[in-house]
Amino acid sequence: SQKIEQNSEALNIQEGKTATLTCNYTNYSPAYLQWYRQDPGRGPVFLLLIRENEKEKRKERLKVTFDTTLKQSLFHITASQPADSATYLCASNAGNNRKLIWGLGTSLAVNP
Amino acid sequence: SAVISQKPSRDICQRGTSLTIQCQVDSQVTMMFWYRQQPGQSLTLIATANQGSEATYESGFVIDKFPISRPNLTFSTLTVSNMSPEDSSIYLCSVPLIEGYGYTFGSGTRLTVV
Repeated sequence: SQKIEQNSEALNIQEGKTATLTCNYTNYSPAYLQWYRQDPGRGPVFLLLIRENEKEKRKERLKVTFDTTLKQSLFHITASQPADSATYLCASNAGNNRKLIWGLGTSLAVNP
Repeated sequence: SAVISQKPSRDICQRGTSLTIQCQVDSQVTMMFWYRQQPGQSLTLIATANQGSEATYESGFVIDKFPISRPNLTFSTLTVSNMSPEDSSIYLCSVPLIEGYGYTFGSGTRLTVV
């Protein structure tokens, strides 16, 4: 079945470093991948979308890549700050409709 | 992009009772989605609510348990009926972003059934 997997282990990094989160998909070829941020007690907040024909997309300190050979998307936060601490979710389309498949999310902690 | 007001933010309910969750959007949207987020699990789509038609439920979710109303293009409710402790979860509503394929979410309803 179609599946998205993210690192279940929390990622702890030092302020100022680059955080890299991984999203792997299996048994399908998504047309696009989306990344969201979720803080405790809040709903997910949309960050970036990357399409299958795009290798890389940037938004301020955020960068997302899409490798269809590796079936993987990487999400980078450069010059990380403690305010970047949150859970980051990866999602993709499940077919021709707008239904999404979601990963479990990776918790990021940026230490001052 | 649209802003969603979701109520209540949390509730503790007795088993066997029902809870209705409301989502109000500040703009008109055709599609609204209801999700469940259980501890340790990914977001799971419950149903898609379109104005003027019955909601479309995903596998494993039925209308008798999760009735949905969509009276207009800015409002929807999800009722969790005859609750059991297994229904304890965060429930979220979501609408598509106007400018693209992303989605905006309500702040969620944390439900605990005792």
